[in-house]
Amino acid sequence: GAGVSQTPSNKVTEKGKYVELRCDPISGHTALYWYRQSLGQGPEFLIYFQGTGAADDSGLPNDRFFAVRPEGSVSTLKIQRTERGDSAVYLCASSIGQDDGYTFGSGTRLTVV
Amino acid sequence: GQQVMQIPQYQHVQEGEDFTTYCNSSTTLSNIQWYKQRPGGHPVFLIQLVKSGEVKKQKRLTFQFGEAKKNSSLHITATQTTDVGTYFCAGRRFGNEKLTFGTGTRLTIIP
Repeated sequence: GAGVSQTPSNKVTEKGKYVELRCDPISGHTALYWYRQSLGQGPEFLIYFQGTGAADDSGLPNDRFFAVRPEGSVSTLKIQRTERGDSAVYLCASSIGQDDGYTFGSGTRLTVV
Repeated sequence: GQQVMQIPQYQHVQEGEDFTTYCNSSTTLSNIQWYKQRPGGHPVFLIQLVKSGEVKKQKRLTFQFGEAKKNSSLHITATQTTDVGTYFCAGRRFGNEKLTFGTGTRLTIIP
């Protein structure tokens, strides 16, 4: 597609529930990144994929967070047993290569109530 | 871990005045990128600096990378209302592909 697409744009879930956030990167972009942004703060790194493999998952806060990119294109960020502290905007970005600028999607605003 | 700080946190300027934001990393960087995020929007890539002491210009925007590759600045000449937003620097360490974003500087323009 023309840009990075993220769905849903908004997600409200109850504490303890499981959620999946989807990212469809720009076609041909091999690098895909997930970030989390809280109000008034800069994006916080979560995980980076080069192709199908997670090249760096050091930013995942704990084992409730998991991400996959099985075919090297679409990626899904999965959060188990959501907590109110998980509420944030989850941003996905892709780039042609690891040394290029990122193109961000519009984000998924996750609210845990 | 790596920290990237920006000052000031907020800047209010009259339209037509200049604006500068400064970025400082706790570690030497392989490169640095700058992004702009409009209110309610997502970060948009502006530029990447790679070389020590590098200076790049985009119309009214001037970007600098420090000689030690630990700091950077963005200067906007004669601000316009379209410049409103939060400006983030994001640094990449040698041998580490992830970008660490700074704390951001939020620019508001007084017409």
